[in-house]
Amino acid sequence: AQTVTQSQPEMSVQEAETVTLSCTYDTSESDYYLFWYKQPPSRQMILVIRQEAYKQQNATENRFSVNFQKAAKSFSLKISDSQLGDAAMYFCAYRSANTGNQFYFGTGTSLTVIP
Amino acid sequence: NAGVMQNPRHLVRRRGQEARLRCSPMKGHSHVYWYRQLPEEGLKFMVYLQKENIIDESGMPKERFSAEFPKEGPSILRIQQVVRGDSAAYFCASSPRTAPNTGELFFGEGSRLTVL
Repeated sequence: AQTVTQSQPEMSVQEAETVTLSCTYDTSESDYYLFWYKQPPSRQMILVIRQEAYKQQNATENRFSVNFQKAAKSFSLKISDSQLGDAAMYFCAYRSANTGNQFYFGTGTSLTVIP
Repeated sequence: NAGVMQNPRHLVRRRGQEARLRCSPMKGHSHVYWYRQLPEEGLKFMVYLQKENIIDESGMPKERFSAEFPKEGPSILRIQQVVRGDSAAYFCASSPRTAPNTGELFFGEGSRLTVL
């Protein structure tokens, strides 16, 4: 089974600064999707950004961007110009594009934004 | 277009009672997933269903847990004879079809089960 590892249980960042959340995964597949989901205190899971493994270009969504290193199986999330509303749990997730439909989630990183 | 709707948002049960959690997927979505989130942990896959079919239940405990997604009506996650260890947030998610697609899951707000 695929595994997703988030090695940073907690991170903090000063408002307006930049923070990077780490994620690594283990798979033998070549075609898959990677995601970052945000879970604020309301607990709703919100998609932040997605990346298709076949795309070499790193995905970007406004202040959120990823550093996708396929060979290293690394998928980090960079949040620029951090805002108080960015405070949440962030989960990295993997989904095969070919077999099955499970999402595999990491254990999450709790991000605190300091005013 | 309404999102994934889960109810109840909060459910309290005593040990030995039954818990039923309901999930209506987004309009046009025919695939439903259930995940469990224990306190301070990530989401653990439980079951994946399509209309009238269980596709993958590899994450479901063998006993006391069952899920269905009937032709009409919401998907239901049923927990019989609940124990304190069942206390968790249960999330439902839906997607429009299998891969390839946008790949993402759309989540409901979760149902928090507390077993006294």
